[in-house]
Amino acid sequence: KAGVTQTPRYLIKTRGQQVTLSCSPISGHRSVSWYQQTPGQGLQFLFEYFSETQRNKGNFPGRFSGRQFSNSRSEMNVSTLELGDSALYLCASSLGVNAGAFFGQGTRLTVV
Amino acid sequence: SQQGEEDPQALSIQEGENATMNCSYKTSINNLQWYRQNSGRGLVHLILIRSNEREKHSGRLRVTLDTSKKSSSLLITASRAADTASYFCATLQGAQKLVFGQGTRLTINP
Repeated sequence: KAGVTQTPRYLIKTRGQQVTLSCSPISGHRSVSWYQQTPGQGLQFLFEYFSETQRNKGNFPGRFSGRQFSNSRSEMNVSTLELGDSALYLCASSLGVNAGAFFGQGTRLTVV
Repeated sequence: SQQGEEDPQALSIQEGENATMNCSYKTSINNLQWYRQNSGRGLVHLILIRSNEREKHSGRLRVTLDTSKKSSSLLITASRAADTASYFCATLQGAQKLVFGQGTRLTINP
């Protein structure tokens, strides 16, 4: 089985712009979660989708949004980028509560 | 905010030695998971231990869980250079929301 695929791997954007990141989960996994990793705050949960519904949301401003499509692929969008949004964004898919999460390689976003 | 504390923050040992990392958490859990991350890359799931389990093994990994103390430990035996990475514990809160500790950076010296 192919693993979790995130695109793009690297991205440089300017403050004020918006960005869309994509995640293709492992085939058969309906749960997709997103995380932000920074040196200062560590790994922080953004949101989780299951069958196109957001089930859980972390403590991030409304500039961060996401969605999931019927084929379980997910996108996250960050609008009005700030320098502090520079981070590694990780997507994970899972079969369920008592199954581990499989992570993609991440998208490294740099905001200049 | 981080759910757990990991100890130590950094650990450097010789190849062949055992490495032990500890994790404490704050709330009741359904399960606790350990992940490895090589520099700047995605996380790799290592092992999951359920709240009703006390110990679990996977190859050279041994995880213990003490729910009364809200703590877990990860033991890597006979360490190898390839084990050099950051290790994170994570607890599950709500629907597929993993809350991670700040991690232990493990360095294996040849």
